[in-house]
Amino acid sequence: LAKTTQPISMDSYEGQEVNITCSHNNIATNDYITWYQQFPSQGPRFIIQGYKTKVTNEVASLFIPADRKSSTLSLPRVSLSDTAVYYCLVGDIYKLSFGAGTTVTVRA
Amino acid sequence: DAGVTQSPTHLIKTRGQQVTLRCSPKSGHDTVSWYQQALGQGPQFIFQYYEEEERQRGNFPDRFSGHQFPNYSSELNVNALLLGDSALYLCASSPMDRANYGYTFGSGTRLTVV
Repeated sequence: LAKTTQPISMDSYEGQEVNITCSHNNIATNDYITWYQQFPSQGPRFIIQGYKTKVTNEVASLFIPADRKSSTLSLPRVSLSDTAVYYCLVGDIYKLSFGAGTTVTVRA
Repeated sequence: DAGVTQSPTHLIKTRGQQVTLRCSPKSGHDTVSWYQQALGQGPQFIFQYYEEEERQRGNFPDRFSGHQFPNYSSELNVNALLLGDSALYLCASSPMDRANYGYTFGSGTRLTVV
């Protein structure tokens, strides 16, 4: 199971772009990279998933370099409501392995 | 469309007791997984049910057991409760053939063991 490393916390201000980089040096050939968001007292919410290059949806973008040993979640123009814990997951899509995540705090 | 529904939302039990938590998956989802989330930590995988059978299991003792019903709903049972079992228990569902599109989580059941 690939292990991930991401920053413990990040601070930002409203309207800024937030980029969270996740390292996964031991990613397997068939592993997907998935990001979840979690607010206090709620379950995680699926944000985005990718395998290579770039994936974009209405919420975020996911950038994956060719070697796939890292990935970057990009949140454009964050607001106060984006304050949450963000988890980077790699590996078995049927048995999700969450680390401690990155606590993103958005300030006014 | 209702998402994943869990009950109860909060529960207080005494050490040594048994508890049953319930989960109704999102409409159209046939796979249910259970996670335990201790305060300040990420969720930890307990087990997954599909077609009424336990398909995968995490590193949890046999005190943790489950069941999936024909309507895809599921129960998590924990016997001989320990203080360390206090946590947020999360249920997640997905269509088995589209698990790579992500799981939908419920808001969880907050279990406190005293």
